[in-house]
Amino acid sequence: DIQMTQSPASLSASVGDRVTITCRASQNIGDYLNWYQQKPGKAPKLLIYGASTLQSGVPSRFSGSESGTDFTLIINNLQPEDFATYYCQQTFMTPRTFGQGTKVEF
Amino acid sequence: QVQLQESGPGLVKPSETLSLTCTVSGGSISRYYWNWIRQTPGKGLEWIGHIYDSGSPNYTPSLKSRVTISVDTSKNQFSLKLNSVTAADTAVYYCARADTVTTRYAFDFWGQGTMVTVSS
Repeated sequence: DIQMTQSPASLSASVGDRVTITCRASQNIGDYLNWYQQKPGKAPKLLIYGASTLQSGVPSRFSGSESGTDFTLIINNLQPEDFATYYCQQTFMTPRTFGQGTKVEF
Repeated sequence: QVQLQESGPGLVKPSETLSLTCTVSGGSISRYYWNWIRQTPGKGLEWIGHIYDSGSPNYTPSLKSRVTISVDTSKNQFSLKLNSVTAADTAVYYCARADTVTTRYAFDFWGQGTMVTVSS
């Protein structure tokens, strides 16, 4: 299985901050890397697919990038509704695997 | 707008079979991968498996011996069966769609999730 290692597990931030979350794949996954946002009691929501393509309707303050097997999610100008848990996921091969999540807290 | 809705018992006895159905509305079940995922506080998000259209399913190795995923295209539904359940199978279960063409197989639509507890 491809292991997805996400860091940090949690972070404290304030409205207006720039937040960076990283995800490392245990092997090459090309750009088959997706980012999801999950709020308590809700299903995950797709933010970014293909490492850097914003899903329709997602604000442009979210962005993604890749460098080899390292992937980054950046949230610029953090908004109150962005406090949530973020997960990376690889869809390069089965079994699909997720990172352990990063909780963005106030 | 595509919507997915899980349905099934919220309580299952140990050693019995967990059965869930996901009903897809607002779109066709054809030409997509249909996934089951579960979430527990301890193990996070775990992909259980998927099925493409009415093709062969693919399961995560750790559950492969106990899982069956099937699709009923006439009803726009797909289903999950997990047999010989234990307390470790207690989780929130989600169904989700994966687009094969535009989103690198990302899960673009999800059900709201259903909590399943395994207990006698």
